Amino acid sequence: DTAVSQTPKYLVTQMGNDKSIKCEQNLGHDTMYWYKQDSKKFLKIMFSYNNKELIINETVPNRFSPKSPDKAHLNLHINSLELGDSAVYFCASSQGIGSGNTIYFGEGSWLTVV
Amino acid sequence: AQSVTQLGSHVSVSEGALVLLRCNYSSSVPPYLFWYVQYPNQGLQLLLKYTTGATLVKGINGFEAEFKKSETSFHLTKPSAHMSDAAEYFCALDGSSNTGKLIFGQGTTLQVKP
Repeated sequence: DTAVSQTPKYLVTQMGNDKSIKCEQNLGHDTMYWYKQDSKKFLKIMFSYNNKELIINETVPNRFSPKSPDKAHLNLHINSLELGDSAVYFCASSQGIGSGNTIYFGEGSWLTVV
Repeated sequence: AQSVTQLGSHVSVSEGALVLLRCNYSSSVPPYLFWYVQYPNQGLQLLLKYTTGATLVKGINGFEAEFKKSETSFHLTKPSAHMSDAAEYFCALDGSSNTGKLIFGQGTTLQVKP
């Protein structure tokens, strides 16, 4: 069983469209994240949620809206997609928050905006 | 400000040779440090982490890293490289006040030559 699974893995869409990426973890973790990896492979946190509550919003544009219906799910909705949104988006989870808790990453969602 | 610097964006070794990937960090609080590996078109997999205690940390696939506070370093080593070790390696710092935010280095691409 995949611990952190996200769908779709590949997504090609036009500028201006709205799209969602879904994420589910079956590890029983309390904390979930979205990270973004740009074309230079640089990784940066976007959001973190603990027990469905938003902990970090790392200066992400309002067009990005995470939603956590329960502790096992953290979906990412993106409105009015722009060319610069093309990246790999990683969902992740950890048992607790901070304090050296291991963060487990999903396989990534490759988003290409044309 | 907290930061992670990986020296060398690209490292090339021969199969069977020593692997050394360098990571230096800056943190105002005791850091938790991680090494992750990313194979092409895949997610990030944890190799090892340092939280507290023993400064020499052993991980998966024969990798190990040593935390040196005086040098603010956490270099990753493996005595003998395998072809399967070719991948992108990321050093990361969790120096947060319980936000779960990982600060990543720029990544190092490891090439293993036959």
